[in-house]
Amino acid sequence: EPEVTQTPSHQVTQMGQEVILRCVPISNHLYFYWYRQILGQKVEFLVSFYNNEISEKSEIFDDQFSVERPDGSNFTLKIRSTKLEDSAMYFCASRKREAAYNEQFFGPGTRLTVL
Amino acid sequence: KQEVTQIPAALSVPEGENLVLNCSFTDSAIYNLQWFRQDPGKGLTSLLLIQSSQREQTSGRLNASLDKSSGRSTLYIAASQPGDSATYLCAVPNNAGNMLTFGGGTRLMVKP
Repeated sequence: EPEVTQTPSHQVTQMGQEVILRCVPISNHLYFYWYRQILGQKVEFLVSFYNNEISEKSEIFDDQFSVERPDGSNFTLKIRSTKLEDSAMYFCASRKREAAYNEQFFGPGTRLTVL
Repeated sequence: KQEVTQIPAALSVPEGENLVLNCSFTDSAIYNLQWFRQDPGKGLTSLLLIQSSQREQTSGRLNASLDKSSGRSTLYIAASQPGDSATYLCAVPNNAGNMLTFGGGTRLMVKP
């Protein structure tokens, strides 16, 4: 069964460094998402991406964040200058069709630790 | 702004019990509601998606119900097993279908 994959599973970085988190969505899906979950807190929406552009973003997704679909399979989240409070689990998700009723399928997550 | 709440936050039951997890949401204008399972330190596994036009959706020992008018959904787990121990999350999309708003989850422990 197709699944969303994410790499790396764990990333440790120093404050102020740039990180790129990678995702490979399910191949026939059209909508892509990033969410994050700070330890002990709710899963929070960051950004959605469709047709090579951001379709919606939350207030968390500030200028330090960017997303890109560099080729036909990868979807990346870049954090330009990491802060301690960026430490969280980052989840990529994808959705098959345009209609709102379709499920979002999540990857296993990347645990980002900022020191 | 949509708010999603799950009660209880934690639940411990002996193996074999039937149990109900609750999810409530403030804005009833939803397309669907999705239930997920999350194991410690792991990703989110989609369990059930129930459309706004449906009252119930079943998958194996799991049954999800939805009452849009009252802003509630329940996840019923029949004959619980230790392997069901996990955190269960519910989530609803916004009108554009982009952004899922999640509840805080119910942490379930099923004791052998």
